[in-house]
Amino acid sequence: EVQLVESGGGLVQPGGSLRLSCAASGFTFSSYWMHWVRQAPGKGLVWVSRINSDGSSTSYADSVKGRFTISRDNAKNTLYLQMNSLRAEDTAVYYCARVGIAWYFDLWGRGTLVTVSS
Amino acid sequence: EIVLTQSPATLSLSPGERATLSCRASQSVSSYLAWYQQKPGQAPRLLIYDASNRATGIPARFSGSGSGTDFTLTISSLEPEDFAVYYCQQRSNWAWTFGQGTKVEIK
Repeated sequence: EVQLVESGGGLVQPGGSLRLSCAASGFTFSSYWMHWVRQAPGKGLVWVSRINSDGSSTSYADSVKGRFTISRDNAKNTLYLQMNSLRAEDTAVYYCARVGIAWYFDLWGRGTLVTVSS
Repeated sequence: EIVLTQSPATLSLSPGERATLSCRASQSVSSYLAWYQQKPGQAPRLLIYDASNRATGIPARFSGSGSGTDFTLTISSLEPEDFAVYYCQQRSNWAWTFGQGTKVEIK
């Protein structure tokens, strides 16, 4: 089955760190660009970061630049998001998404909830 | 950054009615625009890409149109499962942004 499964979310204090993972299966992970998109409770979708297929190129939203790092391990079919210096406004469900058809998000995981609170 | 503005914020309609959702870009995105549907507790689902192309498995009652800065998603006759939030998204210049969403609710 073609799927993405996120993990690693949870409750963290402001200033803390968390690493999210996204396990891919059912497709050739190493052929696709991957992204992280987040959604604060009751709010809309916000693009966070992307990485190209071999991991040599990345980009970030201004709101997370310098604090978050996207990476991937193609041998393990896994995408990561290292989140440091977390703030309350980073509280959200984090989705990993595959860029497929015509460079749009054609496959999404179910998301993992990150809550930043003291 | 290209800003996408969706209208209306909420659309109250009955099953069988036609839904027309709008998405306006702050500058031209050519045809690099997609529409997604999201139901509560679920991940978004790609409906339309490159402004007017239906993604695999999407029913023909969903259609998209527009180019440049003005785009429309039309649902020709609402089915009960179509009541959800819809987002537009652009991918121009290797940047990705979403609109704020339009909620289609049952009247």
